[in-house]
Amino acid sequence: QKEVEQDPGPLSVPEGAIVSLNCTYSNSAFQYFMWYRQYSRKGPELLMYTYSSGNKEDGRFTAQVDKSSKYISLFIRDSQPSDSATYLCAMSRVNDMRFGAGTRLTVKP
Amino acid sequence: GAGVSQSPSNKVTEKGKDVELRCDPISGHTALYWYRQSLGQGLEFLIYFQGNSAPDKSGLPSDRFSAERTGGSVSTLTIQRTQQEDSAVYLCASSSTSGGETQYFGPGTRLLVL
Repeated sequence: QKEVEQDPGPLSVPEGAIVSLNCTYSNSAFQYFMWYRQYSRKGPELLMYTYSSGNKEDGRFTAQVDKSSKYISLFIRDSQPSDSATYLCAMSRVNDMRFGAGTRLTVKP
Repeated sequence: GAGVSQSPSNKVTEKGKDVELRCDPISGHTALYWYRQSLGQGLEFLIYFQGNSAPDKSGLPSDRFSAERTGGSVSTLTIQRTQQEDSAVYLCASSSTSGGETQYFGPGTRLLVL
């Protein structure tokens, strides 16, 4: 079993839809949880960063962490074609960071 | 300030040749990471530098891969006797510490071994 599991998709939604992206993990020692967005032929860029369980909102994006279930989610409201990218979850503890495989999202106009 | 930069952005080489990939981290970042990303795959950890400590080389796939970090700043990833399976995007990231803080990525070097 991989330490971080993420459905690679691809996921295709119409513009304006709510998108839900998820990852599960197995190591309860992870303390920091991140979502990166990677456009085609670019490096990953940090989108959301959370430390504790609960929700964190930033504009149209909400990151949710449930440490008891070892489950993290990223919600995108009112999705736009410009949101089309690969989304990678990541989690870390001191000296150890792990990434999911990434979910490829396409938002169709 | 400037982000993480990598060069070259693209590299095409012939099987058996050596290649060098360069990473210039964000100024002041003590931690530097190299990853490999193959088509449709996640990020594969290669090597990690933290300050002046010995690097964590646990992710290097073979002894053909090596990396240096000079003066705690610029890093070079070297692949000797390249193979076709080495074709991938090589990403560099840096962070201010190694205490779980987020990593900032460069644009990557796309390596194609013919």
